Amino acid sequence: QKEVEQDPGPLSVPEGAIVSLNCTYSNSAFQYFMWYRQYSRKGPELLMYTYSSGNKEDGRFTAQVDKSSKYISLFIRDSQPSDSATYLCASGAGSYQLTFGKGTKLSVIP
Amino acid sequence: EAGVTQFPSHSVIEKGQTVTLRCDPISGHDNLYWYRRVMGKEIKFLLHFVKESKQDESGMPNNRFLAERTGGTYSTLKVQPAELEDSGVYFCASSRLGQGKDEQFFGPGTRLTVL
Repeated sequence: QKEVEQDPGPLSVPEGAIVSLNCTYSNSAFQYFMWYRQYSRKGPELLMYTYSSGNKEDGRFTAQVDKSSKYISLFIRDSQPSDSATYLCASGAGSYQLTFGKGTKLSVIP
Repeated sequence: EAGVTQFPSHSVIEKGQTVTLRCDPISGHDNLYWYRRVMGKEIKFLLHFVKESKQDESGMPNNRFLAERTGGTYSTLKVQPAELEDSGVYFCASSRLGQGKDEQFFGPGTRLTVL
């Protein structure tokens, strides 16, 4: 079992839709969680990070962590074509190394 | 502030050859990391430097890979000799000391193709 599981998609939604991206993890030692966005031929760009269960909001983006069920979510409101990218969830424990999911490719259609 | 830069952006070599990848972290970032993404797989951690010292190299696949960070600035990752399974995208990331656990900034990656 992979430590971080993520549905690779692809996911296609119309502009303005609410997007829900999800990951599950198996390592109980994971303490911090983040979402990265990666455009084609670019490096991952940090979008959101959180240490605790609950919601964290930043503009149109909301990250949600449920440690009891080991579930990580990212919600994108009012999705835009510029949101089209691959979204990667990542988790870390005591060390600095991040464990990534495979990424979900999102397309927002105008 | 300039981001993490990596050179070259793409390298095509033959099996058995040597390749050296370079990473320049964001100025002032003492933490430097190497990750790799093999096609169809997730991004995987290779190693972590704090300044010039290797803090964690648990992800290095084998002794054909050698990472250095002389002077605690830029880093190189040498693959010698390269094998077909080394093909993938190699990412470098950096962060400030004490903030690495949540704010790792990634470079654009070096795409390595071994023929």
